Amino acid sequence: DAGVIQSPRHEVTEMGQEVTLRCKPISGHDYLFWYRQTMMRGLELLIYFNNNVPIDDSGMPEDRFSAKMPNASFSTLKIQPSEPRDSAVYFCASSLALGGIYNEQFFGPGTRLTVL
Amino acid sequence: GQQLNQSPQSMFIQEGEDVSMNCTSSSIFNTWLWYKQEPGEGPVLLIALYKAGELTSNGRLTAQFGITRKDSFLNISASIPSDVGIYFCAGQRGGADGLTFGKGTHLIIQP
Repeated sequence: DAGVIQSPRHEVTEMGQEVTLRCKPISGHDYLFWYRQTMMRGLELLIYFNNNVPIDDSGMPEDRFSAKMPNASFSTLKIQPSEPRDSAVYFCASSLALGGIYNEQFFGPGTRLTVL
Repeated sequence: GQQLNQSPQSMFIQEGEDVSMNCTSSSIFNTWLWYKQEPGEGPVLLIALYKAGELTSNGRLTAQFGITRKDSFLNISASIPSDVGIYFCAGQRGGADGLTFGKGTHLIIQP
């Protein structure tokens, strides 16, 4: 199994540009999560999907951020326009609901975003 | 959003020493988790705790779910060089919900 795949691994862009981060969850998983990691705020949940439907987007910072999941094997996180304070590592994670108390979330390697 | 209070922020220890770190929250979680993150990678699950008072081991790692459901600790015995990394606690309310993370404990092992 290839695990969660994220692309690009690194992205450097200029303030005001549009940025799109991509995620391919583990095949068969029905939950997909986007997290952001910064030195100041640590790891924060941005949004998560169940069966391609957004369930909780309360962690999305502002309207400049949007996330979509057009099918079970692909999700995007878009920032438009980007700002320097968006610089962070963005992680995607996926899990399979087995009906248990906890369904393990498997994390991708992250995308390191730098906005100049 | 809410975060967990994790301490210490960093630890400088000698190889072979035992390590202890903990996490507290102002609210209740139904599941407590401990992750490890290495440079350039995403967090990897070490231990999951499901019941208040539960004590669980995974090799040299031992973790406990506090009775109040508002805290957890992780112990690492006889540390080795490959234990270096950042350890995160995380809480979860429902089995499929997103995770709330602590800010991490950076473990450094001195030669």
